[in-house]
Order: sequence, then C-alpha cells, then structure tokens
Amino acid sequence: GDSVTQMEGPVTLSEEACLTINCTYTATGYPSLFWYVQYPGEGLQLLLKATKADDKGSNKGFEATYRKETTSFHLEKGSVQVSDSAVYFCALRGGSYIPTFGRGTSLIVHP
Amino acid sequence: EAGVTQFPSHSVIEKGQTVTLRCDPISGHDNLYWYRRVMGKEIKFLLHFVKESKQDESGMPNNRFLAERTGGTYSTLKVQPAELEDSGVYFCASSFSGRAYEQYFGPGTRLTVT
Repeated sequence: GDSVTQMEGPVTLSEEACLTINCTYTATGYPSLFWYVQYPGEGLQLLLKATKADDKGSNKGFEATYRKETTSFHLEKGSVQVSDSAVYFCALRGGSYIPTFGRGTSLIVHP
Repeated sequence: EAGVTQFPSHSVIEKGQTVTLRCDPISGHDNLYWYRRVMGKEIKFLLHFVKESKQDESGMPNNRFLAERTGGTYSTLKVQPAELEDSGVYFCASSFSGRAYEQYFGPGTRLTVT
C-alpha cells in the first residue's frame, strides 16, 4: 500500500537558518503530494502541494519539488522564523480522496 | 467564517471509562471525516460521513469506537471502554459535497488514557 516516510524530529534551528525536512513516498501510479502544517492550538492546514512530477509547490517561503525519480518531496525554506515553529506532515493522495500521511516532524525555531 | 471546531481540546480519562468527542464541521459541508494520530505515528483515517450516513468506516479500529452524525450536522465519536492504546490526537475534517479532495481540518482533541 501507499506510505510516506519523513524525517524524525524534533528539528531545532535558530532563526534565519535554512530548513530541509525530508520526505519520501511509496505509491502506485502518480499520486499528488502535499505538505500540511499544524501550528500550536490550530488545525492542520494545507501548506503546499504538487500534482505531477517536477512540479514545485510553494507558499509562505516554503517550497517542495515533486521528484519522481527519487520518490521524494522534501520541504525547504531558506530562512526560518520563530513563527514557523509547528508540526509538518508530508502526505500523498493516490486514487482515493483519503490522504496517506507521514508521522510528522516537529520544528522548533529559537530566536 | 468559522472553521472546523472540536471539543474538548484535551481529555484525560482512566482506562475503562467512556469519552465522547465532538466535531462541528464548517457550515454547509456534507462530508465529515475522523482521523487519529497515535503519538509519534501517522495520522490515520477512521471514517467518513456523507450527511448522516457512514460512507466509509474501514479505518475504525474496533467496536469500542462508535461514531454518529445525527441530523447531518455535528458528529460525535465515543470510545467505550477506553484502553491505553486509544491515547492520541483525534482530528475531524469536513468538505463540501463533491469536493472530498479539499478537506478542512479541526485542531484535534488530545485524548490521554491513564
């Protein structure tokens, strides 16, 4: 079945540091790929998505590129802020409307 | 416009007790979903309502879990009797009819069974 593997956290960074959260997937066919974010006390929010190979999703300074050859969708940001502290979930959706999520990666950004 | 709301935000109960979680979807959303994240693991699908009917309950772990959506508005998820392994965060999501790919999630209820 489909699965998503993302790096374990927590990831702890200083403000303005570069961020990469690795995500790889296993799926049949050509899934759509997503990053969700959960800020403290809030619901899961869709951060960005990519629906086909080589697409780049971007939002709020974050980006991720759909790499079919490496089955990856790594999340990157050039300069993190304290307000980026949250839990980030990589997910895919194949033929079903139900997403398959990774385990989540907690990001802690210190001033 | 209010988002998906869940109550309570956190519940601590003892093994063997009963807990009822509530989800209020976004107004007008016919589809309502329940998910669960056991600590440190993936968010897993539990079930899907279309209005008051259960469309898919393939993710419900066992018969200690009972979900209802009377009147097709809010939904409750009851765990009776609770076990230690039921601890986790329970998320609810909703979407418009025909737009199941655009689900809006609530903040979750953190359930701790001691």
